[in-house]
Amino acid sequence: DAGVIQSPRHEVTEMGQEVTLRCKPISGHNSLFWYRQTMMRGLELLIYFNNNVPIDDSGMPEDRFSAKMPNASFSTLKIQPSEPRDSAVYFCASSLTALQETQYFGPGTRLLVL
Amino acid sequence: DQQVKQNSPSLSVQEGRISILNCDYTNSMFDYFLWYKKYPAEGPTFLISISSIKDKNEDGRFTVFLNKSAKHLSLHIVPSQPGDSAVYFCAARAKGAGSYQLTFGKGTKLSVIP
Repeated sequence: DAGVIQSPRHEVTEMGQEVTLRCKPISGHNSLFWYRQTMMRGLELLIYFNNNVPIDDSGMPEDRFSAKMPNASFSTLKIQPSEPRDSAVYFCASSLTALQETQYFGPGTRLLVL
Repeated sequence: DQQVKQNSPSLSVQEGRISILNCDYTNSMFDYFLWYKKYPAEGPTFLISISSIKDKNEDGRFTVFLNKSAKHLSLHIVPSQPGDSAVYFCAARAKGAGSYQLTFGKGTKLSVIP
């Protein structure tokens, strides 16, 4: 299995632009998680999907952030408009079920907003 | 308020010696604990876990100890190898509602010196 796949690996954009991050979970995994890692706050959960349905988006910082999971093999995290403080590494993770403790992470997308 | 704390940002150990990484938590509802290892430019990789019903779990060179009364867990690596040099994250999961959510510490960077 290829593991969790994320694209792009790096993104540099200007403030105000729309950014879309993509994730393909491990095949057969029913739960998908989006995390953000910053120096100040460490790894934070942004949103969680179970069977393609968003369950908890309380970690999403504000309305500029949105996430979708149109099918079991694809999810997007969108930031519109982007701001410099959004600069971080964004990780996608998946697990077999919602209650499985072990989550498998993708390589992350390093976002820089100028 | 950090519920999972890794108070040592970094640790250096000589090859062949023991590495001890520490983690403290404050939430008494946590019932499952995990350690993840992260290399630069990669996502966190699951390493070892322990349920709150146990006080020790061993997997090869890696052992995790849990002291529930002290709300403390530690990861022991014996013997340490240069390939163990990475950032180690402690994570915890609370039982009950929202049991999918992992709360991460900020990580400890381990350097194993040849």
